[in-house]
Amino acid sequence: GDSVTQMEGPVTLSEEAFLTINCTYTATGYPSLFWYVQYPGEGLQLLLKATKADDKGSNKGFEATYRKETTSFHLEKGSVQVSDSAVYFCAPPSGGSYIPTFGRGTSLIVHP
Amino acid sequence: DGGITQSPKYLFRKEGQNVTLSCEQNLNHDAMYWYRQDPGQGLRLIYYSQIVNDFQKGDIAEGYSVSREKKESFPLTVTSAQKNPTAFYLCASTKTGGPGNTIYFGEGSWLTVV
Repeated sequence: GDSVTQMEGPVTLSEEAFLTINCTYTATGYPSLFWYVQYPGEGLQLLLKATKADDKGSNKGFEATYRKETTSFHLEKGSVQVSDSAVYFCAPPSGGSYIPTFGRGTSLIVHP
Repeated sequence: DGGITQSPKYLFRKEGQNVTLSCEQNLNHDAMYWYRQDPGQGLRLIYYSQIVNDFQKGDIAEGYSVSREKKESFPLTVTSAQKNPTAFYLCASTKTGGPGNTIYFGEGSWLTVV
């Protein structure tokens, strides 16, 4: 079956630093991955989706890429802001009999 | 706008009391889910339902109960049997069938035992 491993946090960065969060996904089916973000005290919301080896998702300055050679997905942002401080979760897409599961996520703390 | 509405946002429960958290969606989604999130932790699945009048236990169902009498509603009852109910509760929904479906979440409900 499919398995997802997300890097441990917290990730602490200064404002305008480069961000990378990794998620390793072993998929038995077509590889695609969703990134969700949870701001403090709120529910999760979809940030973006990455599919295929050459298909990047992007939203709010974030990009999601897939590296076929390592079966890993990466969430990246060139210049983080304090307002990006949140917890980021990766998860395979739901559908069929798949029950959405989420790990601990990766906490991002951005200092001014 | 379509979405998921959870209520109340904040709830206090006395010892030995049952409380019910509401979850309503107008997205016409078949599947609905309840998760529990403790501070600094991930989401743990309590119950889920993929069709009206049917639901399944998740990983931590003990002390909780649900019903799915209508497609748009999936209330969660935290019973007195749940010994440590203080947590953040999240309701979610998604389409079923086919790959690539987005999961939509409500804003969450904070439950505190007093």
